[in-house]
Amino acid sequence: GAVVSQHPSWVICKSGTSVKIECRSLDFQATTMFWYRQFPKKSLMLMATSNEGSKATYEQGVEKDKFLINHASLTLSTLTVTSAHPEDSSFYICSARGGRALDEQFFGPGTRLTVL
Amino acid sequence: DQQVKQNSPSLSVQEGRISILNCDYTNSMFDYFLWYKKYPAEGPTFLISISSIKDKNEDGRFTVFLNKSAKHLSLHIVPSQPGDSAVYFCAARISNSGYALNFGKGTSLLVTP
Repeated sequence: GAVVSQHPSWVICKSGTSVKIECRSLDFQATTMFWYRQFPKKSLMLMATSNEGSKATYEQGVEKDKFLINHASLTLSTLTVTSAHPEDSSFYICSARGGRALDEQFFGPGTRLTVL
Repeated sequence: DQQVKQNSPSLSVQEGRISILNCDYTNSMFDYFLWYKKYPAEGPTFLISISSIKDKNEDGRFTVFLNKSAKHLSLHIVPSQPGDSAVYFCAARISNSGYALNFGKGTSLLVTP
């Protein structure tokens, strides 16, 4: 199956700093990438959808100035959590759709963000 | 508003027996349903899916049943194996609406030897 990587796998930062998370599709070109977050014992909640070369579409309640998404190429999308606060601590997961399996989303391994 | 619901947070099954994981949804526009398996600190991996035009899809030990009138689907795993122990997420989407997925909260399955 298609492989999606995320970097870093975990990060600890101080409150007020910004953190960038990368999502890469390794063996296919991703038409669309999705960003989700998961709180403990909660479902994955879609944050935003991004298509290469265009602005991301954010879900209701997600601050676009807080969570900056850049999808500069067909294999890379980045999520930057700006001025992170402890309540932003969560598990962030990206997924990618594209290649031969347009009907499926392939998920990255996730990034655990802890804001102190 | 949770449109996909998995009302059982956990399930314990003996090895060799059948595991049945349930999922309900509220949005009648959903036309494609998926099951994902997730281990801690990892992303979900796709297991099996079903289109709303079908009522059953089978892949090896995994079978998904869809009851559209009841807005209910279930994942059957038989026979269950200890390696099946993980969190299982039900997801649904509206295919002509961008392919974004709506997830349930997950059911933690424990298969005991």
